[in-house]
Amino acid sequence: KAGVTQTPRYLIKTRGQQVTLSCSPISGHRSVSWYQQTPGQGLQFLFEYFSETQRNKGNFPGRFSGRQFSNSRSEMNVSTLELGDSALYLCASSVTGTTEAFFGQGTRLTVV
Amino acid sequence: KQEVTQIPAALSVPEGENLVLNCSFTDSAIYNLQWFRQDPGKGLTSLLLIQSSQREQTSGRLNASLDKSSGRSTLYIAASQPGDSATYLCASNTGTASKLTFGTGTRLQVTL
Repeated sequence: KAGVTQTPRYLIKTRGQQVTLSCSPISGHRSVSWYQQTPGQGLQFLFEYFSETQRNKGNFPGRFSGRQFSNSRSEMNVSTLELGDSALYLCASSVTGTTEAFFGQGTRLTVV
Repeated sequence: KQEVTQIPAALSVPEGENLVLNCSFTDSAIYNLQWFRQDPGKGLTSLLLIQSSQREQTSGRLNASLDKSSGRSTLYIAASQPGDSATYLCASNTGTASKLTFGTGTRLQVTL
């Protein structure tokens, strides 16, 4: 059974650009959540999608957005990148959102 | 607002020792408590999930306990090995069930 797949694994972007990250959940999982991990703030929740609807949102600016497709794959978009957006972005999938969460390997975003 | 604390922040033990990692949370109305391990630069690997109605879970050399009334969970690792070296994170979900709140982690080093 394939795990959670995140692409790309690494990204280098320039300030002001935008970026899109992708997450393919485990087959049968309908909930996809996104987290940002930085050395200073640890793991912080961005948002969760369930059946193509954003069900939950963390305290991040509107530059951070996401969506989920009918096959449960999810994308996260960050517009007008800032240096502080440099982080490891992790995606997690679970069957319903309250069941066990499984994480992908993450996308390392560096903003220069 | 749920707050999760992990003590100690770092731990170094010789191979073969049994050890306990601690996790405290402020809101006892949790759905689940999940333990993860993270290797440097990698994603999170789920170790154990304890549902709110359970007191403990075991997997191999790992045993996790949950005491909701005191707001504590412990992860017991028996007969530690160098391959156990990693950062261990606990996370809980409460009122907003699909959002995991993470502790800051315990960095474990098992030496030969």
